[in-house]
Amino acid sequence: SQQGEEDPQALSIQEGENATMNCSYKTSINNLQWYRQNSGRGLVHLILIRSNEREKHSGRLRVTLDTSKKSSSLLITASRAADTASYFCATASGGYNKLIFGAGTRLAVHP
Amino acid sequence: NAGVTQTPKFRVLKTGQSMTLLCAQDMNHEYMYWYRQDPGMGLRLIHYSVGEGTTAKGEVPDGYNVSRLKKQNFLLGLESAAPSQTSVYFCASSYSTSGGLGQETQYFGPGTRLLVL
Repeated sequence: SQQGEEDPQALSIQEGENATMNCSYKTSINNLQWYRQNSGRGLVHLILIRSNEREKHSGRLRVTLDTSKKSSSLLITASRAADTASYFCATASGGYNKLIFGAGTRLAVHP
Repeated sequence: NAGVTQTPKFRVLKTGQSMTLLCAQDMNHEYMYWYRQDPGMGLRLIHYSVGEGTTAKGEVPDGYNVSRLKKQNFLLGLESAAPSQTSVYFCASSYSTSGGLGQETQYFGPGTRLLVL
């Protein structure tokens, strides 16, 4: 069974707009990670937030984590057409860096 | 550095045939993983390895076997392929947890598309 569930399943926006994706999970975690997957390619790590952190930034990315609600959000500011991809949250709660992935959000950014 | 590579990129099998997918990494990572990705779903862990000569079951291990004879290689085998194993298979690797904080991310290969008829 999947730990994380992303919302929305699909998101369509115009270039320059902000995109927000949400992730909910079920059990306690060590960290939560966000990955991006371009069509037909492998996943690329974007950002990691630990269970004792509430917010983290990396370039145009902002991630928040609310462990009391077991949820996280990924905000992409000033989106670009090149941001078009699927975005997955993944939680690490066991050992050995094992991850459990959500089903992903498909983001389409239109020029 | 090539990172994580996978061979083959695409394969068509008939039901009952066997095959092996090869994953190689040149980052000296201790941990390696095999996932499958089906339409509309995230990745599900099949098997993983925490070091040379070790393997362990993940979330969906049935119908698959793995081997890690060399640190840089992780093989995924299908002994008797079934249509339900039609999927895209991804390999990933990461540093061991003894490497400390900041080492937890996984590095993914480009994937192998498998079609079982």
